[in-house]
Amino acid sequence: KNQVEQSPQSLIILEGKNCTLQCNYTVSPFSNLRWYKQDTGRGPVSLTIMTFSENTKSNGRYTATLDADTKQSSLHITASQLSDSASYICVVSARGYQKVTFGIGTKLQVIP
Amino acid sequence: DTAVSQTPKYLVTQMGNDKSIKCEQNLGHDTMYWYKQDSKKFLKIMFSYNNKELIINETVPNRFSPKSPDKAHLNLHINSLELGDSAVYFCASSLLTPYTGELFFGEGSRLTVL
Repeated sequence: KNQVEQSPQSLIILEGKNCTLQCNYTVSPFSNLRWYKQDTGRGPVSLTIMTFSENTKSNGRYTATLDADTKQSSLHITASQLSDSASYICVVSARGYQKVTFGIGTKLQVIP
Repeated sequence: DTAVSQTPKYLVTQMGNDKSIKCEQNLGHDTMYWYKQDSKKFLKIMFSYNNKELIINETVPNRFSPKSPDKAHLNLHINSLELGDSAVYFCASSLLTPYTGELFFGEGSRLTVL
């Protein structure tokens, strides 16, 4: 059964600090993995996509990594800002399937 | 210019009523979706349409009926509303099927059934 697990479920950090969010998946055969950011009261927005051959990809202060062997991904946020407060959702696609598999998300709160 | 827009944003209604949520995308995408996000914030696919044809129909009560008059619109009608239907419903679209394409979400429609 295709599953995506994220940790931690929630996280509180001080503004300016770094943090790392984790995503483990069992989706097979793997196609790609996306990280979405969902602000409170808004729809999710894609931050980055990782394909099988990619290990690291950056989008500003966000850096995603992928280890396709261990089926793990991480999202590292550098020098956090108050606007980073949101839920971060890991979404994994399987080749040949119409549906994607969502993680439950990590709720990040950045405090002054 | 809103890419995926859905209305209404908030909907409060009594049990047993019938309600509709509308969705439109101006991205020129071929595929549209309805997702339900429950109180635990988990996003669950309900329906998917590709060029007006239903391609995904999850185990959703038949009180929920999607309608796609054209590939830019996907509406959701819900009959005989129940308390458990309270959730945020997201419309989304993608250029290609999900396993290759990025999902573009609307702002959500928060449904509260009293």
